[in-house]
Amino acid sequence: EAQVTQNPRYLITVTGKKLTVTCSQNMNHEYMSWYRQDPGLGLRQIYYSMNVEVTDKGDVPEGYKVSRKEKRNFPLILESPSPNQTSLYFCASRDPAGEHYNEQFFGPGTRLTVL
Amino acid sequence: AQSVTQLDSHVSVSEGTPVLLRCNYSSSYSPSLFWYVQHPNKGLQLLLKYTSAATLVKGINGFEAEFKKSETSFHLTKPSAHMSDAAEYFCVVSRTGTYKYIFGTGTRLKVLA
Repeated sequence: EAQVTQNPRYLITVTGKKLTVTCSQNMNHEYMSWYRQDPGLGLRQIYYSMNVEVTDKGDVPEGYKVSRKEKRNFPLILESPSPNQTSLYFCASRDPAGEHYNEQFFGPGTRLTVL
Repeated sequence: AQSVTQLDSHVSVSEGTPVLLRCNYSSSYSPSLFWYVQHPNKGLQLLLKYTSAATLVKGINGFEAEFKKSETSFHLTKPSAHMSDAAEYFCVVSRTGTYKYIFGTGTRLKVLA
């Protein structure tokens, strides 16, 4: 089944404790992206990657890092989480060509709470 | 620069009546426009997309949207609401061929029995 998977789905942590949220897609998509969703704000793009080793900042990159060492994986790293990063996070991938051109496929989400 | 405005944060309709969710966009370039739906505690599902082909776009579950360049709008409609349509809906704009997507703040649709 074509899908985007995220782990963990739920995470409660404390301020300053480094964490990684993994994202993997099995559709051979070149483009991947991370978003955070906060009430009343919709989804805001954190980082995106056009291909392996190519990443760029979205609208709210502060406090986050990403890496793209292989096409299928795009982990989101919080080196020193803070309470204002408590949010619902979504990973997405996109095929740059073909029938589903320009459509993003979303993972199930990761709910992160930073105490 | 691009932006998208969803004009209503909450919409309530009775089951069987029409649905209208409003979205206005701003884009200096030829836009791609999308509507996504998010059911409670679920991920996002694509309803429909506009990418410079037909201006009236049909999507899944009976939804459709019309791209109106003169009004910079991309409103989502459905002739008859079902209880299962209760969810949050997001309008999204992207510059065709680029990698950035701008989401609206969402419209929560409530369907009354």
